[in-house]
Amino acid sequence: GQQVMQIPQYQHVQEGEDFTTYCNSSTTLSNIQWYKQRPGGHPVFLIQLVKSGEVKKQKRLTFQFGEAKKNSSLHITATQTTDVGTYFCAGQNTDKLIFGTGTRLQVFP
Amino acid sequence: KAGVTQTPRYLIKTRGQQVTLSCSPISGHRSVSWYQQTPGQGLQFLFEYFSETQRNKGNFPGRFSGRQFSNSRSEMNVSTLELGDSALYLCASSLMGRNEQYFGPGTRLTVT
Repeated sequence: GQQVMQIPQYQHVQEGEDFTTYCNSSTTLSNIQWYKQRPGGHPVFLIQLVKSGEVKKQKRLTFQFGEAKKNSSLHITATQTTDVGTYFCAGQNTDKLIFGTGTRLQVFP
Repeated sequence: KAGVTQTPRYLIKTRGQQVTLSCSPISGHRSVSWYQQTPGQGLQFLFEYFSETQRNKGNFPGRFSGRQFSNSRSEMNVSTLELGDSALYLCASSLMGRNEQYFGPGTRLTVT
């Protein structure tokens, strides 16, 4: 079946360093979404990418959708302690949304 | 608008029992999905309901079932609980035609 993998599984960074998480699907996606889950919280929708090669920015966060629509990345510039949490991608294929395995980000002050 | 609400927030059950979890979606959202989240398996899709009909189903045994009411509220039921069913059960609602999921706070189920 369809799988969505994310790497790395964990990332510890010093505040101010950059962070990137990568998402790879075994199948072509119609769109990809990104969610953030704070410790003890629930996933919160961040953004959706639909077009091949699409790049979207939200302040210090940059999201990319691959040309083949099978991979995506989330890059955070100059991390802050408020960025702590687990970042999930979720790929949509036909009518099913498959969540990635998540990348847990820890930021040390 | 009020967000997605889930009740109860915490639940402790023993093996063999059954449990019913409830979810009220955001007003106007007619699609409700359920997910199981565990440290080892991440977010696993259980099922999706739209207009009282199950539209999609994940790879879970038949012990896991759900339903949706005419007011879009949804319930999920797990029968004959097993230790491995201990997890955070998340409900998410979405608008028709939109993909983004709005999650509730979840129900933390512990099976002893």
